[in-house]
Amino acid sequence: QVQLVQSGAEVKKPGASVKVACKPSGYTFSKFGLHWVRLAPGQGPEWMGWINAGYGHTKYSHKFQDRLTITRDTFATTAYMELSGLTSEDTAVYYCARASGDSGPRDWLDSWGRGTLVTVS
Amino acid sequence: QSVPTQPPSTSGAPGQRVVISCSGDDSNIGTKYVSWYQHLPGAAPRVIIYNDDQRPSGVPDRFSASKSGASASLAISGLRSEDEGDYYCASWDDTVTGFWVFGGGTRLTVL
Repeated sequence: QVQLVQSGAEVKKPGASVKVACKPSGYTFSKFGLHWVRLAPGQGPEWMGWINAGYGHTKYSHKFQDRLTITRDTFATTAYMELSGLTSEDTAVYYCARASGDSGPRDWLDSWGRGTLVTVS
Repeated sequence: QSVPTQPPSTSGAPGQRVVISCSGDDSNIGTKYVSWYQHLPGAAPRVIIYNDDQRPSGVPDRFSASKSGASASLAISGLRSEDEGDYYCASWDDTVTGFWVFGGGTRLTVL
């Protein structure tokens, strides 16, 4: 059974950075990509980026590419999303989601974590 | 960046059928696959439709979807109280550098 366990809620000051962890289980970590998506109150989901867990290649949304870093640790089988230059508009629940394959960022999102609330205040 | 358009809300009585629309454009839905995601209160989002009209294993056949041009729709028949939640369409978008774009979401209320 595929599960994605995310790190706990964070409260950050404006201008700070946040790093959210995502630890999948139930499959071979390097065989699937991972997406990051955020959901802000009253808005639809917003895709942030993707990482190939095997090779570490990344693809970022143009909206976040200047302040977003997605990494992975193959030994710890954990992925990370770090967002810098936080403002109140970054207050949202951040989700990691397994990609349906390892072809690239266009692979659909087939299993999701339960989310990490990041509050910027 | 254009976001696919969904109705903000819909409702239906138990047992009824509802349809949720999703209108995009040729940079996304019109030329790329659509997937649909269900987000129930207190739960992780889950995919219920991928590649326009395919159901993952474990998703009941009460859920079906179709696409025509740059518009897609999700139908839920035999409504149940546990279907109440938010539904999002999504597609890859080729504009700018390429990205996934999600609809604004539709809140389904089971009366």
